[in-house]
Amino acid sequence: NAGVTQTPKFQVLKTGQSMTLQCAQDMNHNSMYWYRQDPGMGLRLIYYSASEGTTDKGEVPNGYNVSRLNKREFSLRLESAAPSQTSVYFCASRVRQGIPGELFFGEGSRLTVL
Amino acid sequence: GENVEQHPSTLSVQEGDSAVIKCTYSDSASNYFPWYKQELGKGPQLIIDIRSNVGEKKDQRIAVTLNKTAKHFSLHITETQPEDSAVYFCAASIPNFGNEKLTFGTGTRLTIIP
Repeated sequence: NAGVTQTPKFQVLKTGQSMTLQCAQDMNHNSMYWYRQDPGMGLRLIYYSASEGTTDKGEVPNGYNVSRLNKREFSLRLESAAPSQTSVYFCASRVRQGIPGELFFGEGSRLTVL
Repeated sequence: GENVEQHPSTLSVQEGDSAVIKCTYSDSASNYFPWYKQELGKGPQLIIDIRSNVGEKKDQRIAVTLNKTAKHFSLHITETQPEDSAVYFCAASIPNFGNEKLTFGTGTRLTIIP
């Protein structure tokens, strides 16, 4: 039972380069999320997808785009990476947005932008 | 919007002693309060949660208390063990017609001293 799987686990980019973080869940969850974690700032929501076919901005969406490819997969794209986007990124899923309950997190993707 | 403050940011406790982490929230509409544990190199994992119609909840060595009047909630870990060493995050959720918003605290790094 894999749960939430993120790739890659580590990535180093140069300023201006683009990349996509991939996320997949095998729990048949409707809702998926992308968070970033920075020292002293907790977890901040970047984008979320309440259900297949919908995406919405979170607290810190600038510089990112997302795609809900299907019910299982939710990708995060950095079109032109900036040093301020150096962070650890977590994908998460939940049964359904709007119903308080457990978020299941992946193991994270550590991104460094030089 | 909701603001969640978490204290302390770091906490060291002798093995076998108790640990307490406190969080305050700003929006009285918040009605769901989860706690997540993040071990080194892993994603956060839900350890306990409480809803606003309950004052206290226990699960073996961990407990959460909620004071709605004062708008604060706390995590209590008794008989601490080395495997309790981790970063702990509190969160508060505001319902919003199926689009509830979950706000995380900034985290507490708990170290258990053998």
